[in-house]
Amino acid sequence: EADIYQTPRYLVIGTGKKITLECSQTMGHDKMYWYQQDPGMELHLIHYSYGVNSTEKGDLSSESTVSRIRTEHFPLTLESARPSHTSQYLCASSVRDGFNEKLFFGSGTQLSVL
Amino acid sequence: KNQVEQSPQSLIILEGKNCTLQCNYTVSPFSNLRWYKQDTGRGPVSLTIMTFSENTKSNGRYTATLDADTKQSSLHITASQLSDSASYICVVSDRGSTLGRLYFGRGTQLTVWP
Repeated sequence: EADIYQTPRYLVIGTGKKITLECSQTMGHDKMYWYQQDPGMELHLIHYSYGVNSTEKGDLSSESTVSRIRTEHFPLTLESARPSHTSQYLCASSVRDGFNEKLFFGSGTQLSVL
Repeated sequence: KNQVEQSPQSLIILEGKNCTLQCNYTVSPFSNLRWYKQDTGRGPVSLTIMTFSENTKSNGRYTATLDADTKQSSLHITASQLSDSASYICVVSDRGSTLGRLYFGRGTQLTVWP
């Protein structure tokens, strides 16, 4: 069981609100990621970080921003939520395990913007 | 274009029966192939990771096979249980020592009936 936590699990919010999705891990992993997943569709990488003060945009264009001030925390912020942001957001962290990099996911935040 | 295709899209089986899920990919270069189990409303959990030199890998009742020549993988579930009901996601990486670029399939939604 991975020690990576996301809050809230569910969020229903009105258009135009600013929201922050929290993600924290207690495994000391340097690398962290945010994925977006719609029902029945593949995961898309929207942000990643290789360590403190490192943030990069992923493959999918996103209006969200992230920060990495501490190793354990990787919050994602939407300055002005829109209905198009309705989706599941999955946070993950990874660590080298032999030749491979093992990826651990949180339980996700289901966001609904009305 | 690098892609990961999974079949079938959905599958219903009776408890105790076996089943096989398929994954075809065109990702190149190829580093490793992962199978994840994702329960509804949860994050994906790793089942197996296979590099190009591995043909088969087991994790309890789950057995994954890989044919790097034909770029095909399968996940076989033996003696299915109700708790196996989930989405099974095939993920291909183009690099091993770092996470590289991950290519996600859309998953096979498995339902196990009593």
